[in-house]
Order: sequence, then C-alpha cells, then structure tokens
Amino acid sequence: GQNIDQPTEMTATEGAIVQINCTYQTSGFNGLFWYQQHAGEAPTFLSYNVLDGLEEKGRFSSFLSRSKGYSYLLLKELQMKDSASYLCAPLGGGDKLIFGTGTRLQVFP
Amino acid sequence: GAVVSQHPSWVICKSGTSVKIECRSLDFQATTMFWYRQFPKQSLMLMATSNEGSKATYEQGVEKDKFLINHASLTLSTLTVTSAHPEDSSFYICSARVGRQGQTGELFFGEGSRLTVL
Repeated sequence: GQNIDQPTEMTATEGAIVQINCTYQTSGFNGLFWYQQHAGEAPTFLSYNVLDGLEEKGRFSSFLSRSKGYSYLLLKELQMKDSASYLCAPLGGGDKLIFGTGTRLQVFP
Repeated sequence: GAVVSQHPSWVICKSGTSVKIECRSLDFQATTMFWYRQFPKQSLMLMATSNEGSKATYEQGVEKDKFLINHASLTLSTLTVTSAHPEDSSFYICSARVGRQGQTGELFFGEGSRLTVL
C-alpha cells in the first residue's frame, strides 16, 4: 500500500526557520518531490531528492533518508509569501506521483 | 522551463451536461500526462494516466465512462466530465513529465480548471 504522512498545519514567524517532515510508504520508490501550492493555484516544483542526503536550493533545502522512508523540507528566512501548502510527493512504481495531504504553513509578521 | 497549459481555468455548467478540459504541453512532447482532482482542503488525487495513442489507465474508484480521457497527440490530452453532477465540482489539474516514462523528470502542472456544477 501507499501512505504519506505530514503535519496538517504549521505556523512560524517571518525570518524564522521551519522544518516540514514527511514519512512515506510506497510500492517502489524513484525519488521524492516537494511542491508548494498557494490556495486556488496549481502546485509549483520546489525540490527533488533521489539519493540520501540534503539538497540545498536557496532558502529551501530538502533531505531524504530512503532507509527510514523520511524526508523533510527546510525553509529559511521565512517570508510572508511562503504562507502556502507544502506537498510531499514520493514517486512510486508505475511512474506515479502520489501526493500527501500537504502541510498548510502560515507565516506571521 | 517546460510549460503546461490548461483550459478553461473556470467553468460553470448545469447538472447533466458534459464539460471538456484541455491540457497542452507547450514546449515539449509528453507521451504521458496525468489528471488529478483536488477537493477543497484535500490532497491532489490521481485520477488517471493519459497515454498518447492508447487507452488511459484509471485509478481505482474512478469511473472511466464518466471521465473520458483522450490523448490524441504528443502535446494534447483532454478530460471530459460526462453528465456532470454537483458532486463533480472540483479543481482538476493536469500534469506532464519531461522525459520518457521510467525516466525521472520534474512534473509540470497546468494552471488547473475549477469546475462548478449547478
């Protein structure tokens, strides 16, 4: 079966750092994506990890541990515009991208 | 970067009518496109995988006769919601991956189509 677990909601202060965790179980594994989705809009790509370790891209970093079925998205120097839902999406067998319920992040001034 | 265009962005229709949503890859060829549906405050749920030149592959619980998918060319897939009912009101999003199936590549999303059935 397939299961993705991430917190439903998180809050943080502008300028702070926040870590969004994701655990997953999939049939087959070909990497894990993180997407950002603002309300009423389509998701936009943030990061992709296929090997264990940390991938850094500007203010955003993503970490993967395949043996633990675990990933996190790290957002630094938070800005108000970072208020959005963050979707953890492992790429399972059959080339299918399966999305978790997403974590709704609210950044306060 | 690669662009996926979806049309229409908004559609309102009467119950019982059919609605067609188009998904185009603008600057790359996509042999495979994916159709997702998202209800308010819920996750994107994969409905079906659209394969160019062959039948779509539907996820469990998705009625293939209700959600008709046609992938007639390498740049266009269409989703037709037949005999739409209010419970079909949702945000429909298409996506396409650069590269061939089995190769890992970023999944690009269309802008989404918000369907409201009265």
